[in-house]
Amino acid sequence: EPEVTQTPSHQVTQMGQEVILRCVPISNHLYFYWYRQILGQKVEFLVSFYNNEISEKSEIFDDQFSVERPDGSNFTLKIRSTKLEDSAMYFCASSRDGNTIYFGEGSWLTVV
Amino acid sequence: QKEVEQNSGPLSVPEGAIASLNCTYSDRVSQSFFWYRQYSGKSPELIMSIYSNGDKEDGRFTAQLNKASQYVSLLIRDSQPSDSATYLCAVRTGSGAGSYQLTFGKGTKLSVIP
Repeated sequence: EPEVTQTPSHQVTQMGQEVILRCVPISNHLYFYWYRQILGQKVEFLVSFYNNEISEKSEIFDDQFSVERPDGSNFTLKIRSTKLEDSAMYFCASSRDGNTIYFGEGSWLTVV
Repeated sequence: QKEVEQNSGPLSVPEGAIASLNCTYSDRVSQSFFWYRQYSGKSPELIMSIYSNGDKEDGRFTAQLNKASQYVSLLIRDSQPSDSATYLCAVRTGSGAGSYQLTFGKGTKLSVIP
């Protein structure tokens, strides 16, 4: 069964550094997302991406964050100048129809 | 602010029993509802979707939707220890396919006791 794959599975970074989280969505899917989950809290929407542009973003997704689809298969989340409170599990997700969404295994980000 | 509320639990049921998980949502115009299962440290795994009032059955799982009461539930029959996980209720919001997003509840932790 096709899966959303994410790398790295875990990254530790110094506060203030830039991080890039990578995702390969399911191949025939058209809608791509990033969600995050701070430890012990609910899964939160960050951004949706469709037709090579951001279609929706939450209040969390400020200028510190950016997304890119650099080629036909990868979808990346860049976090600039990381802060301690950015420590979370970041989930990439994709959907064929924009309705049913499938999540990747996640990338644990620890900011120290 | 669109909210999805769940009882955080833990909900403990004996093996073989029916587990009943509940969820309420605030956005009256929501049309699509999902249940995800999340094991500790893992990603949400889609187990059920429901779009119309009434019941929808898939194996041991039954989702129930009542839009008038803004209420969604998940029943797990013949509960197994492997069902022990956190169950996340998610409601689709947004005005079009490109802007759809899921709003999640905090989840109900289910523990099935052998």
